[in-house]
Formats: sequence, C-alpha cells, structure tokens
Amino acid sequence: GQQLNQSPQSMFIQEGEDVSMNCTSSSIFNTWLWYKQDPGEGPVLLIALYKAGELTSNGRLTAQFGITRKDSFLNISASIPSDVGIYFCAGPVSGSQGNLIFGKGTKLSVKP
Amino acid sequence: SAVISQKPSRDICQRGTSLTIQCQVDSQVTMMFWYRQQPGQSLTLIATANQGSEATYESGFVIDKFPISRPNLTFSTLTVSNMSPEDSSIYLCSARLSDTQYFGPGTRLTVL
Repeated sequence: GQQLNQSPQSMFIQEGEDVSMNCTSSSIFNTWLWYKQDPGEGPVLLIALYKAGELTSNGRLTAQFGITRKDSFLNISASIPSDVGIYFCAGPVSGSQGNLIFGKGTKLSVKP
Repeated sequence: SAVISQKPSRDICQRGTSLTIQCQVDSQVTMMFWYRQQPGQSLTLIATANQGSEATYESGFVIDKFPISRPNLTFSTLTVSNMSPEDSSIYLCSARLSDTQYFGPGTRLTVL
C-alpha cells in the first residue's frame, strides 16, 4: 500500500537556524500536505501543494512538490521557539473519498 | 475554514467499558473522518463518516468495536467499545471543507 517516509524523525536546533525536512514515497501523489501538531492539539494545515514542481511559501515556511510527484520538502527559515511541534506530511489515499495518509512526523525542538 | 470541537477532551476509563466521543463542526460538511493517534505515533484513519450512509471502516477497524453515528451535517460520534489498555490513544475528528481537511483538538483516552 501507499506509504510516506518522513525524515528526520526529530531535530534539535538553535533559535534562528533554518530547518529542512522531507517526505518521500514509492507511490505518486497528486497532492502533498504539510501539517503541524502542537502538544494537546489536532494537526493544523500549513501548506498544500497541488502541482508537480510547485514551490509555495507561507511566511517563513516554504514547501515544494517534487517533480516526480513522489517527494516533498518543507523548509522553515529563522526558527523561533513557537515552531516547536510535530510536522507531518500527508497525501490523499488513491481511490479514496479524500482519506489522508500521514507520514510518521518530524519532531522539532528549538533551543532559545 | 472550519472549527471543530470534541468532547470530552480527555478521559480515564476502566477496562471493559465504552466511551462515546462527540465531534461538532461549525460548518455543514459532507465528509467527516475519525483518526487514531497512538502515543508518539502518526495518525491512522479509523473510518469515514458521511451523512446519510453507513460509515466506511479501514482495514483493522470494525463497526462492533468503533460504532459511528452521523445524524446530520455538523455532528458525529465515535464510540470505543469494550475498551482495553491497547485502546489508549488520542482520537481525532476531522472534516473536509472546500478541499481542505481540518482536525479537532483530539480526545485523549487512557484505559486502565
């Protein structure tokens, strides 16, 4: 079945540093989604990508939809303490009603 | 956007009992979903709940264990039946609105 492989599993960085995380799959996805989950909360959508090669920014966040449609990356520039959380990539399960499959997440810790 | 609330936010239950989780969306939505997130893990889809039809369960989840109701376009419930400690998880309600999937804050369930 479809799987999303997300790396790294966790990151410990200094405030102000840039962060990069990625997601790969052996299957093609037509949409890539990046969510952030704060402790005790549900995931919140950060960026949605709909076209191969698409590069989209949302403030300090930038995400790209890989040209092969099998990968995506998320960059965070100039990290701040509130960037702490778990970042998930997600994509729709093929042939479904829009069900999402999620990667295992990247846990980000930011040291002030 | 959609705002989703869940009740209860957390509960501690005894083995063998059942818990019903409520999910309320502030907009009318056709598609609602229930996910499980085990401690430190990613999200796994339990079932899709569309108003006016039976819920569709994913592999590994059955109606007898996780009965779902969807009485109208803004509300759904998930029951975790005959609970065991392995059911300890966060249960997340999700709704699809304008091609975006929103999540509730989750219900943290601990089964003793």
